[in-house]
Amino acid sequence: GAVVSQHPSRVICKSGTSVKIECRSLDFQATTMFWYRQFPKQSLMLMATSNEGSKATYEQGVEKDKFLINHASLTLSTLTVTSAHPEDSSFYICSARDPGANPNYGYTFGSGTRLTVV
Amino acid sequence: AQSVTQLDSHVSVSEGTPVLLRCNYSSSYSPSLFWYVQHPNKGLQLLLKYTSAATLVKGINGFEAEFKKSETSFHLTKPSAHMSDAAEYFCVVSDPSGNEKLTFGTGTRLTIIP
Repeated sequence: GAVVSQHPSRVICKSGTSVKIECRSLDFQATTMFWYRQFPKQSLMLMATSNEGSKATYEQGVEKDKFLINHASLTLSTLTVTSAHPEDSSFYICSARDPGANPNYGYTFGSGTRLTVV
Repeated sequence: AQSVTQLDSHVSVSEGTPVLLRCNYSSSYSPSLFWYVQHPNKGLQLLLKYTSAATLVKGINGFEAEFKKSETSFHLTKPSAHMSDAAEYFCVVSDPSGNEKLTFGTGTRLTIIP
C-alpha cells in the first residue's frame, strides 16, 4: 500500500529558530499533500494544502509566512516553522493520497512530528 | 459545509465485550466518511471508508461501520474488544467538492479494561 514517510519524528528547538519537517511519498507520486496540526488530546486541524509546483493553499487563520510550505517535487513536501515560539509546540502530521490506488484506501498519513519549542 | 460530531470523548469497555463509537455527520451532499485510528504519538491508520457502495462497511481488525442516512450516523462497532484496540479514533468526512479536504471529528479515546 501507499506509504508516507515523515521526518523527523521528534524535534526540540530553541525559540526564534526555524525547523523543517519533511513529508515523502515513498511509492507513489502525490501532486497534493496536506499538513495538519494536532494539539494535545485534540483533533487534527488542516493547516494547508501543498500543491506540487505551485503555492500552497492555507486555511483561514494560518500564517503563511510562519509556516512555509514547499512542494518542489511529486514525492516531497516540506513544512518549515519559522521563528518558532513555544506556542508552536504541537504534533504536525502530513497526508497524501495515491491517485493511482483504489480510492477506498483513503488517505495515507505520515507518522507525525512532535515539535517542542523551548 | 460538512462536519462530524463524535458524541463520546472517552469510551471504556472490558476486553472481549462489544465496542460502539458514535459519529454523526452533516453534509449537503452524499459524503465520503472514514474512520481512522491513532495510537499514541503515531500517525493515523485507516480503519474503513464509506463511499456509497454499501451501507455496511467492513474494515481492518474486525471493525465495521454502518451508514444510516436517515439518522445521519456512521457508528463504528466491533463485536469483541482486544487490548490492542486501545487508541484514539477519529470519524472523518471528506469535502464532496473534490478538493480532498478532510474534516475530523474531535476524537474518541477508547480504553480497554483487562
